[in-house]
Amino acid sequence: EIVLTQSPDTLSLSPGERATLSCRASQSVSNNYLGWYQQKPGQAPRLLIYGASTRATGIPDRFSGSGSGTDFTLTISRLEPEDFAVYYCQQYGTSPLTFGGGTKVEIK
Amino acid sequence: EVQLVESGGGLVKPGGSLRLSCAGSGFTFSNGWMNWVRQAPGKGLEWVGRIKSKPDGGTTDYAASVKGRFTISRDDSKNTVWLQMNSLKTEETAMYYCTVGAMSDYWGQGTLVTVSP
Repeated sequence: EIVLTQSPDTLSLSPGERATLSCRASQSVSNNYLGWYQQKPGQAPRLLIYGASTRATGIPDRFSGSGSGTDFTLTISRLEPEDFAVYYCQQYGTSPLTFGGGTKVEIK
Repeated sequence: EVQLVESGGGLVKPGGSLRLSCAGSGFTFSNGWMNWVRQAPGKGLEWVGRIKSKPDGGTTDYAASVKGRFTISRDDSKNTVWLQMNSLKTEETAMYYCTVGAMSDYWGQGTLVTVSP
């Protein structure tokens, strides 16, 4: 199975700063079928990005995804207070689908 | 508006069985690939399995950890997908989410399964 490794585990930043989250795959992700999800406490996750770089419906343009093959990045250009949450990547190109372990973006 | 509503969670003893349901609305259910994802308390997300739409073959895939014990099925006439869980283990205590889409575009709010003696 494809193992996804997210880094860092925790990112401590201030509102207005830029956040860069990494997701590395143990083998190439088929068709760059890589998604990013945001989860806030007590809530279900929400899809932010699919196909490595396409924003889901209603997602603000401060969220962007990039990368291909085995290295992917989620960038939040300027952190808003509501962006402090846990972020997961998932590959859905090869079964079994797999998630990364998550990156927590916390207020510094 | 897409809605997914899970039900059927609860307390079950190790080795026991439970069947979860997920009712979908606001989209063409018969065309939807339906997934189950779980999250143990304080932990990350784990994909459990999926069932493709019948036009795409209606086949199922499962995580290695549940293969042979869990079964996903669907009834498009009822807009419902089920997760049958057998031989449950304590470490499978988790919130179980139903999602729709190859990349889990939409999520339900989850149903809590507690496996405890």
